Amino acid sequence: GNSVTQMEGPVTLSEEAFLTINCTYTATGYPSLFWYVQYPGEGLQLLLKATKADDKGSNKGFEATYRKETTSFHLEKGSVQVSDSAVYFCALSDYSGNTPLVFGKGTRLSVIA
Amino acid sequence: GAVVSQHPSWVICKSGTSVKIECRSLDFQATTMFWYRQFPKQSLMLMATSNEGSKATYEQGVEKDKFLINHASLTLSTLTVTSAHPEDSSFYICSAAGRVGTDTQYFGPGTRLTVL
Repeated sequence: GNSVTQMEGPVTLSEEAFLTINCTYTATGYPSLFWYVQYPGEGLQLLLKATKADDKGSNKGFEATYRKETTSFHLEKGSVQVSDSAVYFCALSDYSGNTPLVFGKGTRLSVIA
Repeated sequence: GAVVSQHPSWVICKSGTSVKIECRSLDFQATTMFWYRQFPKQSLMLMATSNEGSKATYEQGVEKDKFLINHASLTLSTLTVTSAHPEDSSFYICSAAGRVGTDTQYFGPGTRLTVL
């Protein structure tokens, strides 16, 4: 079945540091890939997505590129801020929208000033 | 953007009682809603998929008689935890997908259930 593996946390960084959160997946066919973010006390919010190979999703300074050859979708940000502290989830779906998401375990990021 | 609400945001109940959680899509019609469960510091696990007007499809290991799901309209799905026990304490999250012009699921803020 489909699965998502993302790096274990927690990750603690200083403000303005470079962030990478690794995510790899196993899926049949060509899934859509997502990064969701969960801020403390809030629900999940879509951060970015990519629906086909070599697509790059980007939002709020975060980027991730759909790499079919390495089955990866690593999340990166060049300069993190304290406000980026949250839990980040990598996820996939066979088709977009009306099929359930398969989530990774989540990576907690803490950014300190 | 599309908004999904959940009610209540938190609930505490006694063991043996039933609790109903509502999930509403506020500004779009959700043909499909999903219910997830999240344990502390863990990922979201899909419980069931609910399509408007039809019976929910439950994931393996999820008791359909314990977690009753009703998707009566294109804007409302409910999850009822029947005869709740302390092990049912968890964070329940719904998401909705539908005709909003995108291919994205939108998540509710979640409901924290504590069973004493």
